[in-house]
Amino acid sequence: EVQLVESGGGLVQPGGSLRLSCAASGFMFRNSWMHWVRQAPGKGLVWVSHINSDGSTTTYADSVKGRFTISRDNAKSTVFLQMNSLKAEDTGVYYCTRDRSYASDMWGQGTMVTVSS
Amino acid sequence: QSALTQPPSASGSPGQSVTISCTGSSSDIGGYNFVSWYQQYPGKAPKLMISEVDRRPSGVPDRFSGSKSGNTASLTVSGLQAEDEADYYCFSYAGSDNWVFGGGTRLTVL
Repeated sequence: EVQLVESGGGLVQPGGSLRLSCAASGFMFRNSWMHWVRQAPGKGLVWVSHINSDGSTTTYADSVKGRFTISRDNAKSTVFLQMNSLKAEDTGVYYCTRDRSYASDMWGQGTMVTVSS
Repeated sequence: QSALTQPPSASGSPGQSVTISCTGSSSDIGGYNFVSWYQQYPGKAPKLMISEVDRRPSGVPDRFSGSKSGNTASLTVSGLQAEDEADYYCFSYAGSDNWVFGGGTRLTVL
């Protein structure tokens, strides 16, 4: 089955860290660019980060630059998002997506991250 | 990395057509033909409806169409149906491996 499955979300205190994972199956993951997108409760979608197929190029939204790190393991068909120095405004559902022609054509079900004391 | 501008809401009666706009700049929408649109129901993951300004993925009804003029992209839904009531987001490539979403539009079918 062609799918993306996120995991690793949870409750964390401000200033804490969390590592999200996204396991891909059913397609050539090693050839695919990937993104992380987040959505705060009741708010819109926000692009967070991108990684190219071999992991050599990564980019970030200004709001997370210097705090978040995207990486991938092509042998395990998994993309990661390491989130450090978390803030309340980082709270939301985090989706991983597959890029096709600069669009996100496949989405996972999302994983909830709550930053609160 | 400023968000693209979408109207917060749009509405139409069944059978009518409605167009949702998405305004950016020459650095994003105006500079590239990589605008996509997503439909999202409450509590669900978004679904790709249009890519590369006007390409419809397999399985998306042809009632959905996209276009672009200058720094503004548009999504038109023709022959509105009750099931089209959802949130819609535009998304554009902004150069240097950066992307940006619009703020989203809630479409109501009256």
